[in-house]
Amino acid sequence: GESVGLHLPTLSVQEGDNSIINCAYSNSASDYFIWYKQESGKGPQFIIDIRSNMDKRQGQRVTVLLNKTVKHLSLQIAATQPGDSAVYFCAETPNQGAQKLVFGQGTRLTINP
Amino acid sequence: SQTIHQWPATLVQPVGSPLSLECTVEGTSNPNLYWYRQAAGRGLQLLFYSVGIGQISSEVPQNLSASRPQDRQFILSSKKLLLSDSGFYLCAWSRLYNEQFFGPGTRLTVL
Repeated sequence: GESVGLHLPTLSVQEGDNSIINCAYSNSASDYFIWYKQESGKGPQFIIDIRSNMDKRQGQRVTVLLNKTVKHLSLQIAATQPGDSAVYFCAETPNQGAQKLVFGQGTRLTINP
Repeated sequence: SQTIHQWPATLVQPVGSPLSLECTVEGTSNPNLYWYRQAAGRGLQLLFYSVGIGQISSEVPQNLSASRPQDRQFILSSKKLLLSDSGFYLCAWSRLYNEQFFGPGTRLTVL
């Protein structure tokens, strides 16, 4: 669900390592999930999405995994680069036919040189 | 290709003054439109969304209102700003049941 008032959790990784950012959702009826990247002072950018009839989807250097049994979503970033430093948000549609997204609280990813 | 514009980029307003933020989308028709607010270091709070001209759904009771006078124009307004209205305001658009695309945002500071 929405956590707009909470401070962001943080994740620090070494440049070149893989990053895994996790997101838990509570609504078992959610059927569409998205990961966004937000750099400081900018609007969120779409990274990758996945529908509930899939459990894995790959993009360029990113993979999204969906575990509907435990209502868990993860974003894996391979060989992280300094440009990957940002806040990452997961989002879900709360039910079929919903025309809005519910955003998670976000995770701040910091890449150490 | 589609683009989304927001203006102004930054705004400093006194408490009690009115507000009008504008968002326009190019390159698509009949989009869903959204207004979000983001406090510093926080997540995104959905304020309003619209599935068509003149159709506005409000997500939270507040000091703000929204209007959609044209298909690709979404306006966020207030008659009297409060200190708590400060934040980063984001407009987004989407096609039916698909990902949302965000604009560059407006940073509002109410003094």
